Amino acid sequence: ELKVEQNPLFLSMQEGKNYTIYCNYSTTSDRLYWYRQDPGKSLESLFVLLSNGAVKQEGRLMASLDTKARLSTLHITAAVHDLSATYFCAPRGGFGNEKLTFGTGTRLTIIP
Amino acid sequence: GAVVSQHPSWVICKSGTSVKIECRSLDFQATTMFWYRQFPKQSLMLMATSNEGSKATYEQGVEKDKFLINHASLTLSTLTVTSAHPEDSSFYICSARGGGRRVEQFFGPGTRLTVL
Repeated sequence: ELKVEQNPLFLSMQEGKNYTIYCNYSTTSDRLYWYRQDPGKSLESLFVLLSNGAVKQEGRLMASLDTKARLSTLHITAAVHDLSATYFCAPRGGFGNEKLTFGTGTRLTIIP
Repeated sequence: GAVVSQHPSWVICKSGTSVKIECRSLDFQATTMFWYRQFPKQSLMLMATSNEGSKATYEQGVEKDKFLINHASLTLSTLTVTSAHPEDSSFYICSARGGGRRVEQFFGPGTRLTVL
């Protein structure tokens, strides 16, 4: 059974600072997704990482995937208030298995 | 981009009644749809996977007789919560995936169910 842990669970940081959210998963997976969720809303897709060593960047967010270490990171650069949200990683179950297992989530609060 | 809608957005019902939630892919054909449940301040838990024209596959611990899923067409899946009870109150989110090389699941806006 695939287990997914995110660290930290809660993060409060000042605007302008950098920080990294970590996503560890327990069994082999070849694809990993990052999502953002605002309170009371559904999920917004941020990144899909398709291979070992994949790195994707969009604005102040950058995601990477190390399939050998079973680790993905979401790096926030020079945080701004509108990045406040809950972030989830979700590796898929394996080749041909489209089920996603969601991490615990990281609730990020950016303080002005 | 791909758009998935859910209806209703929120519903309040009395204990013992049944509630139907619709999930539609608006601009693509969804060969597979997924139903998730999210309790407050928790992560998403997959309930079931449905493929068009076949029976849904339920995750362990999810009662298939309580949560009826129908995927009658390539653009519509429904989740019916039968004989709802207060512990079924939750945020229900569907996602849809197209066939072939399309890798992403596209998520609906969610349905908030409150059972009194």
